[in-house]
Amino acid sequence: EAGVTQSPTHLIKTRGQQATLRCSPISGHTSVYWYQQALGLGLQFLLWYDEGEERNRGNFPPRFSGRQFPNYSSELNVNALELEDSALYLCASSPWTSGSYEQYFGPGTRLTVT
Amino acid sequence: KQEVTQIPAALSVPEGENLVLNCSFTDSAIYNLQWFRQDPGKGLTSLLLIQSSQREQTSGRLNASLDKSSGRSTLYIAASQPGDSATYLCAVTDNAGKSTFGDGTTLTVKP
Repeated sequence: EAGVTQSPTHLIKTRGQQATLRCSPISGHTSVYWYQQALGLGLQFLLWYDEGEERNRGNFPPRFSGRQFPNYSSELNVNALELEDSALYLCASSPWTSGSYEQYFGPGTRLTVT
Repeated sequence: KQEVTQIPAALSVPEGENLVLNCSFTDSAIYNLQWFRQDPGKGLTSLLLIQSSQREQTSGRLNASLDKSSGRSTLYIAASQPGDSATYLCAVTDNAGKSTFGDGTTLTVKP
């Protein structure tokens, strides 16, 4: 069974640009979560999508947004990039409809803002 | 607001030792608790999931317990090996599906 995949592995952008990160969940999983892990900080919850809808959102500004597609893959968009957006962005999926929130993580996308 | 604390922040032990990692949380209204390991610069690997109605889960040399009323969980690692060296994270998920992570315990097992 293929795990959660994320692309790209690394992304370098300049301040003010936009970044798009992609995530494909494990087959059969309907929920996708996004987290930010900045250097020296813990994982911070960003967004949760399930069945194409945003279910919950962490304490991040509106320039962090995303969507979930009919095939349950997801995109995270970060607009007007700031230096402090440099971080490892992790995506996780779970079979939420089964009543379990057990999360399986992808390898992450390393975003560097210069 | 849920807060998750992991103690100790770092731990170094010789190979073969048994060890305990601690996780505490402030709001006992959780749906489940999950333990992960993270290798440097990598994603998270799920180790054990404990539903709120359960007391413990075991997988190989790992045993995790949950005391929801006191807001505590422990991860017990038996007969530690150098390959166990990693950062161990605990996460609690509430009924709305939001997860809160601790800052982790960085474990080093010396050969």
